Amino acid sequence: AQKVTQAQTEISVVEKEDVTLDCVYETRDTTYYLFWYKQPPSGELVFLIRRNSFDEQNEISGRYSWNFQKSTSSFNFTITASQVVDSAVYFCRTTDSWGKLQFGAGTQVVVTP
Amino acid sequence: EPEVTQTPSHQVTQMGQEVILRCVPISNHLYFYWYRQILGQKVEFLVSFYNNEISEKSEIFDDQFSVERPDGSNFTLKIRSTKLEDSAMYFCASHGGTEAFFGQGTRLTVV
Repeated sequence: AQKVTQAQTEISVVEKEDVTLDCVYETRDTTYYLFWYKQPPSGELVFLIRRNSFDEQNEISGRYSWNFQKSTSSFNFTITASQVVDSAVYFCRTTDSWGKLQFGAGTQVVVTP
Repeated sequence: EPEVTQTPSHQVTQMGQEVILRCVPISNHLYFYWYRQILGQKVEFLVSFYNNEISEKSEIFDDQFSVERPDGSNFTLKIRSTKLEDSAMYFCASHGGTEAFFGQGTRLTVV
């Protein structure tokens, strides 16, 4: 079965600092998908990115960037120049080849002015 | 952008009452899921549904819970006799092969 570990429970930064969220997964599948979601205080899950296991290209979207390292089974997420609006819980998730979804425990990001 | 719709967005119910949470999955999807998130905790799997039957369920999904697809479009989660500890955010998801889409969630408050 897949397992997703987000070892950081909470990260506190001051505005404009960069913050990196770690995600490590375990899987026996060769085909799988990786996701990041943002959950603001209002509670909904906001989709941020999806990656498949064959695409190891890193991605940048505005202040967000993702580093997928298959060799270390990690899919880390960096927020550059953090803002107060980035304060939220961030979840890493996987989907295996059978469609089974697995969430990490989430990392609470607190950005203070 | 395809969308999974959940209603209501927030429901308050008295302990012991039955609640039905509704979800409209994406129309050509075949796999459906319910997840629960107690406030401040992780998102937990409840149940998956395929071909009009439960394909997998977690320990949380006891006899108080049931799911059905009553009319071929809606996908419902029923809690027969709610307890205080059922207060949580409930997320529906549908899966079409390679990607799952989540609804906005229903916040259930049991008082």
